[in-house]
Amino acid sequence: DQQVKQNSPSLSVQEGRISILNCDYTNSMFDYFLWYKKYPAEGPTFLISISSIKDKNEDGRFTVFLNKSAKHLSLHIVPSQPGDSAVYFCAASNYGGSQGNLIFGKGTKLSVKP
Amino acid sequence: IAGITQAPTSQILAAGRRMTLRCTQDMRHNAMYWYRQDLGLGLRLIHYSNTAGTTGKGEVPDGYSVSRANTDDFPLTLASAVPSQTSVYFCASSDLLGYGEQFFGPGTRLTVL
Repeated sequence: DQQVKQNSPSLSVQEGRISILNCDYTNSMFDYFLWYKKYPAEGPTFLISISSIKDKNEDGRFTVFLNKSAKHLSLHIVPSQPGDSAVYFCAASNYGGSQGNLIFGKGTKLSVKP
Repeated sequence: IAGITQAPTSQILAAGRRMTLRCTQDMRHNAMYWYRQDLGLGLRLIHYSNTAGTTGKGEVPDGYSVSRANTDDFPLTLASAVPSQTSVYFCASSDLLGYGEQFFGPGTRLTVL
């Protein structure tokens, strides 16, 4: 049973427009959420995170929104740039849990077209 | 600062052979992890280590073993490789287990024939 779901395998956006990547989770014990970006032939790199005590975190062009009641988070990229084309992974953890490991979604491939 | 290094970059291996994937970090992080990435399945945790001397099983541990003799190194061993272990393997580290940013290595592409 997938605890972290990214239901859109791919997303295509025009340069300059907003990209919205979605992520749903099922475990209400998750209290920390992260987004990672991955280019081909490279390891994932951390992008932005949010704690469950917040509903929004912003870092430059990237904003993550958390809706705890809906168990849903989203990553907004504004404006989107061709260099943003990559696979984006959503991840969640229960820091207070016995393992505290990150659970990753399957990823969404974002293509930003010039 | 190198961060996390992994070796080899890629490897083709005959089924039944033993293989150790190496991982070294220079950030003095307490926690280290091994993931495999397969198309359509995302990143799945194989094993993790909270601190030197301790290890734990992740989501897909069967066929793999790890050791954590010191803070910096976290090798992953396939005792007898099978074709289903063909994957890209990523090592990662973080200051605290499961919390905060995890830093990933560049990956090892393993093909088992």
